[in-house]
Amino acid sequence: GEDVEQSLFLSVREGDSSVINCTYTDSSSTYLYWYKQEPGAGLQLLTYIFSNMDMKQDQRLTVLLNKKDKHLSLRIADTQTGDSAIYFCAAQSGTYKYIFGTGTRLKVLA
Amino acid sequence: DGGITQSPKYLFRKEGQNVTLSCEQNLNHDAMYWYRQDPGQGLRLIYYSQIVNDFQKGDIAEGYSVSREKKESFPLTVTSAQKNPTAFYLCASSIAGDGYTFGSGTRLTVV
Repeated sequence: GEDVEQSLFLSVREGDSSVINCTYTDSSSTYLYWYKQEPGAGLQLLTYIFSNMDMKQDQRLTVLLNKKDKHLSLRIADTQTGDSAIYFCAAQSGTYKYIFGTGTRLKVLA
Repeated sequence: DGGITQSPKYLFRKEGQNVTLSCEQNLNHDAMYWYRQDPGQGLRLIYYSQIVNDFQKGDIAEGYSVSREKKESFPLTVTSAQKNPTAFYLCASSIAGDGYTFGSGTRLTVV
């Protein structure tokens, strides 16, 4: 079946940039998403990118998409301690279904 | 404000007992979903529903049941057939081509 993969952990220093990577297998995915989950909470939609785009910027967040390699990344500029959370990549699979990665736990060191 | 509400936040189940998790949305979304989250395993799809009175099994439907009698509501029952139900359960809703809106989750523990 279709799959989305992410590395499990990332640690960065406060003020540095964070880059979280994701690979997916469904080449027909029209939309790709990034979600943030804080401890004990649901997932919050951070940003998304349409498959015909290479890049999308939204304040401190930059999403890069390499459709040929099926690789998605999320860059967080000037990472703050409040950015510590689990970040999930999700790829659309059909009209209503999305496949989620395992999540990357970002730890920001002060 | 529109949103999706899950209740209760914490739930304890005795061995052999069925329990029902509530999920209500006022976003007028057509589709609703139930996911299970275990540490280090991401989200696994239990059931989803695209319209009222219709639902489909996800990847781990065994031991669970759902109903969709109203557009706003998609309750999940964890039956006694689910042998390892301790997990964090997330409900979500969406409209076609849009991302999910998630509830705040229910943590179920077997005692």
